[in-house]
Amino acid sequence: GNSVTQMEGPVTLSEEAFLTINCTYTATGYPSLFWYVQYPGEGLQLLLKATKADDKGSNKGFEATYRKETTSFHLEKGSVQVSDSAVYFCALSDPNSGGSNYKLTFGKGTLLTVNP
Amino acid sequence: NAGVMQNPRHLVRRRGQEARLRCSPMKGHSHVYWYRQLPEEGLKFMVYLQKENIIDESGMPKERFSAEFPKEGPSILRIQQVVRGDSAAYFCASSLGLAETYEQYFGPGTRLTVT
Repeated sequence: GNSVTQMEGPVTLSEEAFLTINCTYTATGYPSLFWYVQYPGEGLQLLLKATKADDKGSNKGFEATYRKETTSFHLEKGSVQVSDSAVYFCALSDPNSGGSNYKLTFGKGTLLTVNP
Repeated sequence: NAGVMQNPRHLVRRRGQEARLRCSPMKGHSHVYWYRQLPEEGLKFMVYLQKENIIDESGMPKERFSAEFPKEGPSILRIQQVVRGDSAAYFCASSLGLAETYEQYFGPGTRLTVT
């Protein structure tokens, strides 16, 4: 079955530090890959996505590249801000899973805290 | 435009009681999805509903769990005779159309604690 493994948290950084949150996946087909972010007290929001190998998703200074050879989709940001403090979820949907690619499979989430 | 609303945000039930979780999708959205996050795990798909229809319930436990999305009103996830293992965060998402094309928008979740 499909699965997502992401970096264990919590991650604590100082403002302007470089961020990497690792994400690897296992899927039977060719998944689309996503990063969602959940700010305190809010729902999960789509941060970025990539639908095929070598695609790079980017948004709000965050980026992630779909690496088929390493089955990875690591999230990076060059300079984090206090407002980036949130829980980050890596997820996949498998368009080859019998047409049910609305089923997202998520990692456990990584709590990021950015200190001033 | 209000986002996906879920209530209650926190729910405490004793073993054997019933839990009812409500989800109001974004305005204009007719597709609803429920996910469950057990402790130390990622969110897992439970069920996909359109108005008055269950489309896919392949992720629902076979017993005690049911979901509905009536013509009027919110979607309801109902858990009968709750057990400690039901303690989890339950997230609802909605989309404008089928989520393979349209983004799923998530609510803040309901945290269920069974004592």
